[in-house]
Amino acid sequence: GAGVSQSPRYKVAKRGQDVALRCDPISGHVSLFWYQQALGQGPEFLTYFQNEAQLDKSGLPSDRFFAERPEGSVSTLKIQRTQQEDSAVYLCASSLTRRPYNSPLHFGNGTRLTVT
Amino acid sequence: GQQLNQSPQSMFIQEGEDVSMNCTSSSIFNTWLWYKQDPGEGPVLLIALYKAGELTSNGRLTAQFGITRKDSFLNISASIPSDVGIYFCAGPAVSGAGSYQLTFGKGTKLSVIP
Repeated sequence: GAGVSQSPRYKVAKRGQDVALRCDPISGHVSLFWYQQALGQGPEFLTYFQNEAQLDKSGLPSDRFFAERPEGSVSTLKIQRTQQEDSAVYLCASSLTRRPYNSPLHFGNGTRLTVT
Repeated sequence: GQQLNQSPQSMFIQEGEDVSMNCTSSSIFNTWLWYKQDPGEGPVLLIALYKAGELTSNGRLTAQFGITRKDSFLNISASIPSDVGIYFCAGPAVSGAGSYQLTFGKGTKLSVIP
């Protein structure tokens, strides 16, 4: 498809389990972002990649969160030892240019993570 | 960090009515973005504003970048049922390491009564 694709769409994890969320950005898009959206809130920045380089990870809530984009296309957000407060929708977004927001940011439909 | 305050938090309007919502910040922004999010989907960009005082339209939507650079508003004219959703304002940090970060408001939830 032409849009940003995220999988899985829904993920239920027991507290303490590790999860991996995948993002396929639009082909050729240089910039890739991960956002966390809690229920009833706006998305909050987690991390930013420019090609394969992770230029900003200041939004990651703890060292249990790890993101990678090894070949500058597909990205994976991994959460280790999940906790209930990790329950949220995780959104991935990509844009064409190196300078974010100079071109439109395209969001995927997100992965809804529920930690029980 | 930067915060964006949106108002109203929610609104119920009759189909055909005009809608106005706004977004304010305690710090300046160089770019204002307005997004719409439908249930179960990611936000979709509606309008981007890059210059203080700029007024931009996209169909029935009109948005303005406040001259103080600390506010923006979005108007929707002649609302229709498909306008239902959550509208977010957003903007990147002005400079520095956080300039990759897009800050979002908490959203205005719009309900349209047919």
